[in-house]
Amino acid sequence: EDQVTQSPEALRLQEGESSSLNCSYTVSGLRGLFWYRQDPGKGPEFLFTLYSAGEEKEKERLKATLTKKESFLHITAPKPEDSATYLCAVRADRGSTLGRLYFGRGTQLTVWP
Amino acid sequence: DAGVIQSPRHEVTEMGQEVTLRCKPISGHNSLFWYRQTMMRGLELLIYFNNNVPIDDSGMPEDRFSAKMPNASFSTLKIQPSEPRDSAVYFCASSLGGHTFGNTIYFGEGSWLTVV
Repeated sequence: EDQVTQSPEALRLQEGESSSLNCSYTVSGLRGLFWYRQDPGKGPEFLFTLYSAGEEKEKERLKATLTKKESFLHITAPKPEDSATYLCAVRADRGSTLGRLYFGRGTQLTVWP
Repeated sequence: DAGVIQSPRHEVTEMGQEVTLRCKPISGHNSLFWYRQTMMRGLELLIYFNNNVPIDDSGMPEDRFSAKMPNASFSTLKIQPSEPRDSAVYFCASSLGGHTFGNTIYFGEGSWLTVV
């Protein structure tokens, strides 16, 4: 069965302390890996899509990378406003027209001043 | 530009009552998704529509759940009768082109359902 696992479940960082969030997956036929940010009481907000191993994307203090088995979301010099839950999702082809999107459980990031 | 609009934002209902959640997708998007989020199971896809037609409803938990999309700008998710284990946040999302390669899914703010 396809699996998406995110680690750690929770992460507390001091402002300016860089770190990385991990998303490992075991889906076959990956057709895209998505990162979302979710604030309390809000819906997930799209951040990045990665398609192939070696690909990297950046947005402000965030950089997402992808290998054949996992993705990292690197946070450089985080600020308190980066506090949120970060969700990883993967889409896999299974020979049908629909590739289901599987979400991980998320990493709850807290950045304190 | 308006995003995905859901209503109600919060609903508290008694067990056995019918619950109807509503969604207006982003204008121009032809795919609509209903997700459910709980602490125990995270985000789960319930059903997916493409061009108003249900494509995959394998995530619908049981017959008490039903979803409709009468037109491109409106969808409902109905639970009848509701049970306490249905308490969750229900998200509607939309995209242009569905789950196909590279299409981004945009989420609404969610409907927080509590069944007592």
